Amino acid sequence: NAGVTQTPKFRVLKTGQSMTLLCAQDMNHEYMYWYRQDPGMGLRLIHYSVGEGTTAKGEVPDGYNVSRLKKQNFLLGLESAAPSQTSVYFCASSWAAGGYNEQFFGPGTRLTVL
Amino acid sequence: AQTVTQSQPEMSVQEAETVTLSCTYDTSESDYYLFWYKQPPSRQMILVIRQEAYKQQNATENRFSVNFQKAAKSFSLKISDSQLGDAAMYFCAYWYNAGNMLTFGGGTRLMVKP
Repeated sequence: NAGVTQTPKFRVLKTGQSMTLLCAQDMNHEYMYWYRQDPGMGLRLIHYSVGEGTTAKGEVPDGYNVSRLKKQNFLLGLESAAPSQTSVYFCASSWAAGGYNEQFFGPGTRLTVL
Repeated sequence: AQTVTQSQPEMSVQEAETVTLSCTYDTSESDYYLFWYKQPPSRQMILVIRQEAYKQQNATENRFSVNFQKAAKSFSLKISDSQLGDAAMYFCAYWYNAGNMLTFGGGTRLMVKP
């Protein structure tokens, strides 16, 4: 049982390049989330999904797109990377919404945009 | 808007001693949850403890306990018998059911001295 995994672990991009971050979970969770973590700040929600084929905007969605074509996968895309998107990105999943449903986090992806 | 504030960027404690991390939050909701997450150097976010707002009794998990003051909107974490493995970033987080997202504080770095 791997839990939540993220690919890749590190990535360096040039401004204007595109990339996709992959999140996978093997716990059959309905809900999945993408967060970013910047120095001195807590995690901020980018986008989330409440089930296969659904996505919704979080607190900081601009510049990102997401897709949930399969229940176990949640993709985060950057179409034209900017230095402001340099951050550590975390994926999480949970069985359902609500504070009683623990969110399980992946190990993070460190992205640097030059 | 809901906000979570951790006023202590860094704390240190001697091994085997007790330390308290502070957290305050702002909300107009009555039904919500509060969490403490631990982020060790590996970056993996780990749930330490959870408190339901409607419960008056403070949550405890082994050496970890909280002091939940609902009227004061305060939620502190007490770590007893501190161990070297407790060294990490600690994040306070808030969830209310209608919001569908976790809101994190800026974090407190805890150092444990041998």
